[in-house]
Amino acid sequence: EPEVTQTPSHQVTQMGQEVILRCVPISNHLYFYWYRQILGQKVEFLVSFYNNEISEKSEIFDDQFSVERPDGSNFTLKIRSTKLEDSAMYFCASSRGANVLTFGAGSRLTVL
Amino acid sequence: DQQVKQNSPSLSVQEGRISILNCDYTNSMFDYFLWYKKYPAEGPTFLISISSIKDKNEDGRFTVFLNKSAKHLSLHIVPSQPGDSAVYFCAASGDTGTASKLTFGTGTRLQVTL
Repeated sequence: EPEVTQTPSHQVTQMGQEVILRCVPISNHLYFYWYRQILGQKVEFLVSFYNNEISEKSEIFDDQFSVERPDGSNFTLKIRSTKLEDSAMYFCASSRGANVLTFGAGSRLTVL
Repeated sequence: DQQVKQNSPSLSVQEGRISILNCDYTNSMFDYFLWYKKYPAEGPTFLISISSIKDKNEDGRFTVFLNKSAKHLSLHIVPSQPGDSAVYFCAASGDTGTASKLTFGTGTRLQVTL
């Protein structure tokens, strides 16, 4: 069964450092997303991406965050200068149409 | 801003019995609802969904009921199996034609005991 793959599974970084989280969505999917889950809290929407541009973003997705689809297969989330409160599990997801998203296993980010 | 609420953080059910997980929402613009299941160290896995034009959708052991007037949905699992033990998230969307922003509830941890 096709799956969304994410790397790294766990990243530890120092506050202020840049982090790039990588995702390979399902190949025939057209919509790409990043969500995050802070420990003990709910899964929160960050950004959706379609046709090579951001289609919607949440208040969390400020200027420190950016997304890119550098080639036909990868979808990346960059955090320019990490803060302690960025520590969370980051989930990439993709969908062929709207609504039913397939999620990856997540990348755990720990900011020290 | 809790637009989607799951008021029971945990539920324990005996194997073979029915599990009922509940979800309430406040945003009347939501028109599509989904249930996801999540095991530790994995991403959420899609389980079942329902459009607001329906009040019931069934898929094997899983049935989702939607009560639009009460802004309430529920997931029924029958019979419950030990492998169903996971965290269940209710999610809602107001977009049916474009890339979707899902709003998730806080989850209910289901434990199916032998």
